[in-house]
Amino acid sequence: SQKIEQNSEALNIQEGKTATLTCNYTNYSPAYLQWYRQDPGRGPVFLLLIRENEKEKRKERLKVTFDTTLKQSLFHITASQPADSATYLCALDEDNTDKLIFGTGTRLQVFP
Amino acid sequence: EPEVTQTPSHQVTQMGQEVILRCVPISNHLYFYWYRQILGQKVEFLVSFYNNEISEKSEIFDDQFSVERPDGSNFTLKIRSTKLEDSAMYFCASRSYTGGGTEAFFGQGTRLTVV
Repeated sequence: SQKIEQNSEALNIQEGKTATLTCNYTNYSPAYLQWYRQDPGRGPVFLLLIRENEKEKRKERLKVTFDTTLKQSLFHITASQPADSATYLCALDEDNTDKLIFGTGTRLQVFP
Repeated sequence: EPEVTQTPSHQVTQMGQEVILRCVPISNHLYFYWYRQILGQKVEFLVSFYNNEISEKSEIFDDQFSVERPDGSNFTLKIRSTKLEDSAMYFCASRSYTGGGTEAFFGQGTRLTVV
């Protein structure tokens, strides 16, 4: 069956450290992989998109990697801040469909 | 900045009643979506809509659900006879196109409570 799995446990890290979140997928062939941030009671907000032929993408303190052999994406937030505390969602975009399918999400808590 | 707007923000309805959730997608976008998020769970795809018809739907989107774009700006989700398990946050989203990978813009959601 198709699955998109993210760390189910919340990730707690200290301010200033790098947070690394994982997204693993099974039985998908995504052409693109996206990361979103979701705050409680709010809609997801887009952060980054990476294509299947890209290994790494950066935007300010954010970095995403995409390994289609391992079927995994890693999402890094460097120099994390308490304001980064939120749930982070990965989403797969396959080439022959219109839909965006979300993973289970990982809650990140950055403490001072 | 353009945004997706949803109304109402919160809807309480009795089991068996019909509800209509409304969305105004971003004006030049072509692809429209409804997602559902039960409290504490993942964001689940319900349906995608393009060129005035459903392009894809999930198993959740059964005969009780329907979508419509009645006037070229609004995009609605109707649930014909609500069940307790329909209680969730419903998000509308839109994208300009899907080829080449594009971000989805989400509304703030409608919290539906079925009592």
